[in-house]
Amino acid sequence: GAVVSQHPSRVICKSGTSVKIECRSLDFQATTMFWYRQFPKQSLMLMATSNEGSKATYEQGVEKDKFLINHASLTLSTLTVTSAHPEDSSFYICSATVTSGGADEQFFGPGTRLTVL
Amino acid sequence: AQKVTQAQTEISVVEKEDVTLDCVYETRDTTYYLFWYKQPPSGELVFLIRRNSFDEQNEISGRYSWNFQKSTSSFNFTITASQVVDSAVYFCALSEFGRLQTGANNLFFGTGTRLTVIP
Repeated sequence: GAVVSQHPSRVICKSGTSVKIECRSLDFQATTMFWYRQFPKQSLMLMATSNEGSKATYEQGVEKDKFLINHASLTLSTLTVTSAHPEDSSFYICSATVTSGGADEQFFGPGTRLTVL
Repeated sequence: AQKVTQAQTEISVVEKEDVTLDCVYETRDTTYYLFWYKQPPSGELVFLIRRNSFDEQNEISGRYSWNFQKSTSSFNFTITASQVVDSAVYFCALSEFGRLQTGANNLFFGTGTRLTVIP
């Protein structure tokens, strides 16, 4: 199957700093990427849907000014957590898909564990 | 509205036992897709299966089998002869064909079932 990478895999930062997480589709072009957040022992919650070259669509309750998403190319999407706080500590997972009008399989990245001190 | 329910929060079985993980879904769409994913302690989601709403045939893949019943809106997952390596959190997910505003369909995940296989 297709491979999606995430970088970094783990990051620890101080409160108030910004953290950028990269999501790359390594062997295919992804027209759409999704960003999920998973708190400990909880399910994955969709944060936003990102289409290449356009603004991301955020789910209700997700602050777009805090979680900046850029999808500059068909193989790269970035999530920037601005002015991170301890409550932003979570496991962030991206997925990538190729749109054909149906429910194409989403290929998931390995996740990024963010810890904000 | 769409919803995926995995009523079993945690299950423990002894190695070699069979175990069934339940998944019940709700959707208004007539065309939809159901998925199962495995999330081992490392965190990376592992795709197990995708089933569309028009295909109710049960599927078997090695020790894994899936039972899809539209009449009860269930898509249950059975592991036979469980092994310690099966210990993980398993997620059932739903994708609706009708949500096409972005041209792609996001997944709605259940809350997951944590399976522990005891040696």
